[in-house]
Amino acid sequence: QSVLTQPPSVSGAPGQRVTISCTGSSSSIGAGYDVHWYQQLPGKAPKLLIYGDNNRPSGVPDRFSGSKSGTSASLAITGLQAEDEANYYCQSYDRSLSGVVFGGGTKLTVL
Amino acid sequence: QVQLVQSGTEVKKPGSSVKVSCKASGGTFSSYDISWVRQAPGEGLEWMGGIIAIIGTANYAQRFQGRATITADKSTSTAYMELSGLRSDDTAVYYCARTDPQDAFDIWGQGTMVIVSS
Repeated sequence: QSVLTQPPSVSGAPGQRVTISCTGSSSSIGAGYDVHWYQQLPGKAPKLLIYGDNNRPSGVPDRFSGSKSGTSASLAITGLQAEDEANYYCQSYDRSLSGVVFGGGTKLTVL
Repeated sequence: QVQLVQSGTEVKKPGSSVKVSCKASGGTFSSYDISWVRQAPGEGLEWMGGIIAIIGTANYAQRFQGRATITADKSTSTAYMELSGLRSDDTAVYYCARTDPQDAFDIWGQGTMVIVSS
Protein backbone atom coordinates (compact mmCIF):
# COMPACT_ATOMS: atom_id res chain seq x y z
CA GLN A 1 0.00 0.00 0.00
CA SER A 2 1.50 3.30 -1.13
CA VAL A 3 1.82 6.31 1.15
CA LEU A 4 0.48 8.55 -1.62
CA THR A 5 -2.87 7.52 -3.12
CA GLN A 6 -3.57 7.73 -6.84
CA PRO A 7 -6.48 6.35 -8.88
CA PRO A 8 -5.41 3.12 -10.61
CA SER A 9 -6.63 4.31 -13.98
CA VAL A 10 -8.03 7.26 -15.89
CA SER A 11 -9.03 7.62 -19.52
CA GLY A 12 -9.94 10.26 -22.04
CA ALA A 13 -10.47 10.81 -25.73
CA PRO A 14 -7.92 12.60 -27.89
CA GLY A 15 -8.07 16.33 -27.36
CA GLN A 16 -9.75 16.06 -23.96
CA ARG A 17 -8.46 17.09 -20.55
CA VAL A 18 -7.79 14.62 -17.78
CA THR A 19 -6.58 15.02 -14.22
CA ILE A 20 -4.78 12.58 -11.95
CA SER A 21 -5.02 13.09 -8.20
CA CYS A 22 -2.40 12.30 -5.57
CA THR A 23 -3.52 12.29 -1.95
CA GLY A 24 -1.05 12.35 0.90
CA SER A 25 -1.20 13.33 4.56
CA SER A 26 -0.13 15.99 7.03
CA SER A 27 3.32 14.40 7.19
CA SER A 28 3.89 14.45 3.43
CA ILE A 29 2.16 16.79 0.98
CA GLY A 30 0.32 18.59 3.77
CA ALA A 31 3.62 19.39 5.47
CA GLY A 32 4.61 21.46 2.46
CA TYR A 33 6.99 19.04 0.76
CA ASP A 34 7.31 19.38 -2.99
CA VAL A 35 5.36 17.06 -5.27
CA HIS A 36 6.91 15.72 -8.44
CA TRP A 37 5.31 13.78 -11.29
CA TYR A 38 6.78 11.16 -13.61
CA GLN A 39 5.64 9.60 -16.87
CA GLN A 40 6.65 6.02 -17.56
CA LEU A 41 6.17 4.51 -20.99
CA PRO A 42 6.07 0.70 -21.26
CA GLY A 43 9.50 -0.82 -20.84
CA LYS A 44 11.17 2.54 -20.23
CA ALA A 45 12.65 4.38 -17.28
CA PRO A 46 10.43 7.04 -15.67
CA LYS A 47 10.78 10.58 -16.98
CA LEU A 48 10.43 13.70 -14.82
CA LEU A 49 7.32 15.55 -15.97
CA ILE A 50 6.64 18.11 -13.24
CA TYR A 51 8.91 19.16 -10.37
CA GLY A 52 8.35 21.40 -7.39
CA ASP A 53 4.55 21.10 -7.59
CA ASN A 54 4.06 22.98 -10.86
CA ASN A 55 7.30 23.37 -12.82
CA ARG A 56 8.05 21.73 -16.16
CA PRO A 57 11.56 20.62 -17.09
CA SER A 58 12.82 21.84 -20.44
CA GLY A 59 11.20 19.92 -23.26
CA VAL A 60 7.99 18.97 -21.46
CA PRO A 61 4.98 20.37 -23.34
CA ASP A 62 2.83 22.96 -21.59
CA ARG A 63 -0.12 20.57 -21.98
CA PHE A 64 1.13 19.11 -18.69
CA SER A 65 0.60 21.09 -15.49
CA GLY A 66 0.68 20.44 -11.75
CA SER A 67 -1.05 21.90 -8.74
CA LYS A 68 -1.15 21.33 -5.01
CA SER A 69 -3.61 22.18 -2.25
CA GLY A 70 -3.64 20.96 1.32
CA THR A 71 -2.74 17.29 1.47
CA SER A 72 -3.34 16.65 -2.25
CA ALA A 73 -1.82 17.38 -5.62
CA SER A 74 -3.01 16.98 -9.18
CA LEU A 75 -1.56 16.49 -12.62
CA ALA A 76 -3.58 17.88 -15.51
CA ILE A 77 -3.09 16.93 -19.13
CA THR A 78 -4.89 18.95 -21.78
CA GLY A 79 -5.23 18.22 -25.48
CA LEU A 80 -4.75 14.48 -24.91
CA GLN A 81 -2.65 12.71 -27.50
CA ALA A 82 -2.16 9.01 -28.17
CA GLU A 83 1.47 9.29 -27.10
CA ASP A 84 0.35 10.35 -23.60
CA GLU A 85 -0.81 6.80 -22.91
CA ALA A 86 1.49 5.76 -20.06
CA ASN A 87 1.73 5.25 -16.31
CA TYR A 88 2.01 8.37 -14.17
CA TYR A 89 3.47 8.54 -10.67
CA CYS A 90 3.48 11.26 -8.05
CA GLN A 91 6.29 11.55 -5.54
CA SER A 92 6.96 13.55 -2.39
CA TYR A 93 8.68 13.27 0.98
CA ASP A 94 7.21 11.98 4.22
CA ARG A 95 8.71 13.25 7.45
CA SER A 96 7.25 10.48 9.59
CA LEU A 97 9.02 7.94 7.38
CA SER A 98 12.06 10.19 6.85
CA GLY A 99 12.11 9.31 3.20
CA VAL A 100 10.86 9.72 -0.32
CA VAL A 101 7.44 8.26 -1.10
CA PHE A 102 5.65 7.46 -4.34
CA GLY A 103 2.05 7.07 -5.34
CA GLY A 104 0.95 3.69 -6.61
CA GLY A 105 0.73 4.95 -10.17
CA THR A 106 -2.10 5.74 -12.56
CA LYS A 107 -2.50 4.17 -15.98
CA LEU A 108 -3.74 6.68 -18.53
CA THR A 109 -5.61 5.24 -21.49
CA VAL A 110 -6.28 7.41 -24.54
CA LEU A 111 -9.51 6.11 -26.02
CA GLN B 1 24.47 16.28 -21.03
CA VAL B 2 24.54 14.07 -17.94
CA GLN B 3 23.88 10.37 -18.50
CA LEU B 4 23.63 7.51 -16.03
CA VAL B 5 24.60 4.08 -17.37
CA GLN B 6 23.85 1.04 -15.26
CA SER B 7 25.31 -2.45 -15.18
CA GLY B 8 23.59 -5.39 -16.86
CA THR B 9 21.04 -8.01 -15.87
CA GLU B 10 21.83 -10.14 -12.84
CA VAL B 11 20.46 -13.59 -11.94
CA LYS B 12 20.98 -14.50 -8.30
CA LYS B 13 20.13 -17.30 -5.88
CA PRO B 14 17.99 -16.64 -2.80
CA GLY B 15 20.12 -15.57 0.14
CA SER B 16 22.91 -14.15 -2.01
CA SER B 17 23.82 -10.50 -2.66
CA VAL B 18 23.81 -8.30 -5.75
CA LYS B 19 25.74 -5.11 -6.46
CA VAL B 20 24.43 -2.81 -9.19
CA SER B 21 26.53 0.03 -10.58
CA CYS B 22 25.52 3.40 -12.01
CA LYS B 23 28.20 5.32 -13.92
CA ALA B 24 27.74 9.03 -14.60
CA SER B 25 29.08 10.80 -17.65
CA GLY B 26 28.99 14.54 -18.18
CA GLY B 27 28.68 17.09 -15.40
CA THR B 28 30.39 16.97 -12.00
CA PHE B 29 29.61 13.70 -10.24
CA SER B 30 30.67 14.93 -6.81
CA SER B 31 27.90 17.54 -6.90
CA TYR B 32 25.16 14.97 -7.47
CA ASP B 33 22.93 13.18 -5.07
CA ILE B 34 22.02 9.73 -6.40
CA SER B 35 18.94 7.75 -5.42
CA TRP B 36 17.93 4.18 -6.07
CA VAL B 37 14.39 3.20 -6.98
CA ARG B 38 13.12 -0.26 -7.78
CA GLN B 39 10.10 -1.57 -9.66
CA ALA B 40 8.87 -5.13 -9.31
CA PRO B 41 7.22 -6.66 -12.40
CA GLY B 42 3.85 -5.02 -13.01
CA GLU B 43 4.20 -2.90 -9.88
CA GLY B 44 4.89 0.72 -9.00
CA LEU B 45 8.02 2.62 -8.05
CA GLU B 46 9.65 2.12 -4.65
CA TRP B 47 12.38 4.38 -3.23
CA MET B 48 15.21 2.43 -1.63
CA GLY B 49 17.58 5.15 -0.52
CA GLY B 50 20.12 7.64 -1.72
CA ILE B 51 23.59 9.06 -1.28
CA ILE B 52 24.98 12.56 -1.08
CA ALA B 53 27.98 11.93 -3.29
CA ILE B 54 30.02 14.93 -2.16
CA ILE B 55 30.19 13.67 1.43
CA GLY B 56 29.37 9.99 0.89
CA THR B 57 26.48 9.91 3.35
CA ALA B 58 23.66 7.52 2.54
CA ASN B 59 20.12 7.25 3.85
CA TYR B 60 17.69 4.40 3.37
CA ALA B 61 14.00 3.63 3.32
CA GLN B 62 13.08 1.89 6.56
CA ARG B 63 12.35 -1.44 4.89
CA PHE B 64 15.83 -1.57 3.38
CA GLN B 65 17.77 -0.51 6.46
CA GLY B 66 20.40 -3.11 7.19
CA ARG B 67 19.95 -4.92 3.89
CA ALA B 68 20.88 -2.29 1.30
CA THR B 69 24.19 -0.45 1.07
CA ILE B 70 24.59 2.56 -1.21
CA THR B 71 28.06 3.89 -1.95
CA ALA B 72 29.74 6.25 -4.40
CA ASP B 73 33.24 6.32 -5.90
CA LYS B 74 34.01 9.87 -6.96
CA SER B 75 37.20 8.77 -8.74
CA THR B 76 35.18 6.74 -11.25
CA SER B 77 31.93 8.76 -11.09
CA THR B 78 30.09 5.58 -10.15
CA ALA B 79 27.41 4.90 -7.57
CA TYR B 80 26.63 1.42 -6.29
CA MET B 81 23.68 -0.27 -4.62
CA GLU B 82 24.27 -3.59 -2.92
CA LEU B 83 21.32 -5.62 -1.66
CA SER B 84 21.92 -8.64 0.56
CA GLY B 85 19.76 -11.52 1.70
CA LEU B 86 18.00 -11.66 -1.64
CA ARG B 87 14.50 -13.12 -1.80
CA SER B 88 12.27 -13.90 -4.74
CA ASP B 89 10.29 -10.72 -4.10
CA ASP B 90 13.45 -8.69 -4.71
CA THR B 91 13.06 -9.56 -8.38
CA ALA B 92 12.72 -6.13 -9.97
CA VAL B 93 14.22 -3.50 -12.21
CA TYR B 94 16.55 -1.30 -10.18
CA TYR B 95 17.05 2.30 -11.29
CA CYS B 96 19.52 4.95 -10.23
CA ALA B 97 18.51 8.57 -10.59
CA ARG B 98 20.14 11.94 -10.10
CA THR B 99 18.36 13.74 -7.29
CA ASP B 100 17.90 17.49 -6.99
CA PRO B 101 17.76 19.34 -3.63
CA GLN B 102 13.96 19.01 -3.54
CA ASP B 103 14.23 15.23 -4.09
CA ALA B 104 13.09 15.32 -7.73
CA PHE B 105 14.72 12.60 -9.83
CA ASP B 106 15.64 14.48 -12.98
CA ILE B 107 17.91 12.00 -14.78
CA TRP B 108 17.45 8.23 -14.68
CA GLY B 109 19.62 5.30 -15.58
CA GLN B 110 18.28 2.75 -18.02
CA GLY B 111 17.53 0.24 -15.25
CA THR B 112 19.07 -3.07 -14.22
CA MET B 113 16.97 -6.23 -14.06
CA VAL B 114 17.72 -8.39 -11.03
CA ILE B 115 16.17 -11.86 -11.04
CA VAL B 116 16.19 -13.89 -7.85
CA SER B 117 15.48 -17.53 -8.49
CA SER B 118 16.60 -20.89 -7.21
